Amino acid sequence: KAGVTQTPRYLIKTRGQQVTLSCSPISGHRSVSWYQQTPGQGLQFLFEYFSETQRNKGNFPGRFSGRQFSNSRSEMNVSTLELGDSALYLCASSLTTGNTEAFFGQGTRLTVV
Amino acid sequence: QQPVQSPQAVILREGEDAVINCSSSKALYSVHWYRQKHGEAPVFLMILLKGGEQMRHEKISASFNEKKQQSSLYLTASQLSYSGTYFCGTPPTGNTGKLIFGQGTTLQVKP
Repeated sequence: KAGVTQTPRYLIKTRGQQVTLSCSPISGHRSVSWYQQTPGQGLQFLFEYFSETQRNKGNFPGRFSGRQFSNSRSEMNVSTLELGDSALYLCASSLTTGNTEAFFGQGTRLTVV
Repeated sequence: QQPVQSPQAVILREGEDAVINCSSSKALYSVHWYRQKHGEAPVFLMILLKGGEQMRHEKISASFNEKKQQSSLYLTASQLSYSGTYFCGTPPTGNTGKLIFGQGTTLQVKP
């Protein structure tokens, strides 16, 4: 079966701009989580969505937002980009929420210049 | 609270064994283990649940000591394919997909 698809794979943006990242989970999966990965901070949780509802939010400023659509696809948006937002953004999909295997996408590499 | 992994890095020869630990200062509901190879997405290895049995993925096994708030990942007879960064993740509450990951342990297996 098809895996988790994240688009785009690479992005270069300028400080102050905004960006939207997309994640298509595995067919049938209803839970999508987003993580930010940087060399210094490791894997940090951003959001968790289940059936179009945000269930959890990580410790990130309000510039980071997300949503999930009825087909379980999810988007995250970062407004007023800062240099420190440069990172690999990973999306993980699961059948449901809770103690279950998560499948990660290849990620979107965002570079802010 | 981020779990603490030890060691931070380990270098092995093929066939050698290694242990990676994941400790928390808070009670653990479960422990999830993932491996990430360079330039690739993290891949699920196993979940350890409270009161559950020791789990296994190929020649990799793991245990969960609730009292010590610790999980250990055992890599037996390491293969070159085991190289990568291993992360443990713990949920802050019982029923959530949110995981707080440790800082990772980089494992390099040499021929």
